[in-house]
Amino acid sequence: DAKTTQPTSMDCAEGRAANLPCNHSTISGNEYVYWYRQIHSQGPQYIIHGLKNNETNEMASLIITEDRKSSTLILPHATLRDTAVYYCIVRVAGKRSGGSNYKLTFGKGTLLTVNP
Amino acid sequence: DAGITQSPRHKVTETGTPVTLRCHQTENHRYMYWYRQDPGHGLRLIHYSYGVKDTDKGEVSDGYSVSRSKTEDFLLTLESATSSQTSVYFCATGRPADLDTEAFFGQGTRLTVV
Repeated sequence: DAKTTQPTSMDCAEGRAANLPCNHSTISGNEYVYWYRQIHSQGPQYIIHGLKNNETNEMASLIITEDRKSSTLILPHATLRDTAVYYCIVRVAGKRSGGSNYKLTFGKGTLLTVNP
Repeated sequence: DAGITQSPRHKVTETGTPVTLRCHQTENHRYMYWYRQDPGHGLRLIHYSYGVKDTDKGEVSDGYSVSRSKTEDFLLTLESATSSQTSVYFCATGRPADLDTEAFFGQGTRLTVV
């Protein structure tokens, strides 16, 4: 899986949009970008994923650059409950034989602190 | 929580004793993972399984073994616990599908080796 680079920490005001960047300059054509978050002491939670098109769901939006070397997770109206560590991961998706394609490796993520 | 249960949730054990952590899922997911989480290191993959009796090593597998004799259970064993294995352990499951390999995590097991 391609390596990702994220800032160690970020701050955001409550009610404002939180934009979390991720660099993945070595991403391959068949690798997706996934975002998870981990709220203090809990297990990580899936947020969103995408290949090359921008994606949106009820939690967030994912913007992937045209060259796919970086992406941004957007929380449109951050709340105090969004304070968490956010992980950006790139990995292969799809039905494949063999286990190595389903390895799921996390980096250190970005600690997002939403301030009142 | 996608039907994932980790047991025990908390355990204190002595150095040199064997310890087994259990991850049980009710979702019939094919893929299962064990991670450990320590301050300053984030989540690190220990072992993973891509089917019954099919397992592979992650990035920090030394000192750990796993077994998957049935789909719903993935066991992590510390053959001889050491203080460096004091950590929070998370289990995760995932299903193979064309565009959806979202993983689901358990609530974690806090292990203290004294």
